[in-house]
Amino acid sequence: QVTLKESGPGILQPSQTLSLTCSFSGFSLSTYGMCVGWIRQSSGKGLEWLANIWWNDDKYYNPSLKNRLTISKDTSNNQAFLKITNMDTADTATYYCARGLGHYWGQGVMVTVSS
Amino acid sequence: DVVLTQTPPTLSATIGQSVSISCRSSQSLLHSNGNTYLHWLLQRPGQSPQLLIYLVSRLESGVPNRFSGSGSGTDFTLKISGVEAEDLGVYYCVQGTHAPWTFGGGTKLELK
Repeated sequence: QVTLKESGPGILQPSQTLSLTCSFSGFSLSTYGMCVGWIRQSSGKGLEWLANIWWNDDKYYNPSLKNRLTISKDTSNNQAFLKITNMDTADTATYYCARGLGHYWGQGVMVTVSS
Repeated sequence: DVVLTQTPPTLSATIGQSVSISCRSSQSLLHSNGNTYLHWLLQRPGQSPQLLIYLVSRLESGVPNRFSGSGSGTDFTLKISGVEAEDLGVYYCVQGTHAPWTFGGGTKLELK
């Protein structure tokens, strides 16, 4: 059974760095072809793909936020991570991790940026 | 970026009615490897999105067969043959053929 679960700080101040963790089970990020991605959804809005990391450590970033994003993984502990620098109120959203092109999703973690 | 345009933005249906949602891409989604990376997702209120259809027309395990997907190139359709109450929510198409991966704007299915 594939499961993913996001964790993060919940609330942070403008200009701070957001650190998110995706803990997963039921698959390995060392398996050929596997990838985990991060997606966000602002309240009442649509979905925005942020970044992917692949089994071979290839990384993909959405160009609209590329300079602010860093994705990484810990294969041994079945985790993937996302850092977003210089957070702004516009980054307030629910952040999801997903396996592949949305085959499996976590429950999401709400992140609020407020002073 | 590839733009996915979903229509209609809102769909009102009665239980048992058949409905269709269109997803039109600004570029062909046929990958050089022969696959078309176009999936359909459903996000029920208060829940995470879930996969319904992958690679245009393949039904995800556990998804009722009243859902079906079709299309090619730039035009894709999700059909629900006999809406049930549990089908209410927002439907999204998503493409993974071209980077960055992108989502359609969503179609909200409501009860009439």
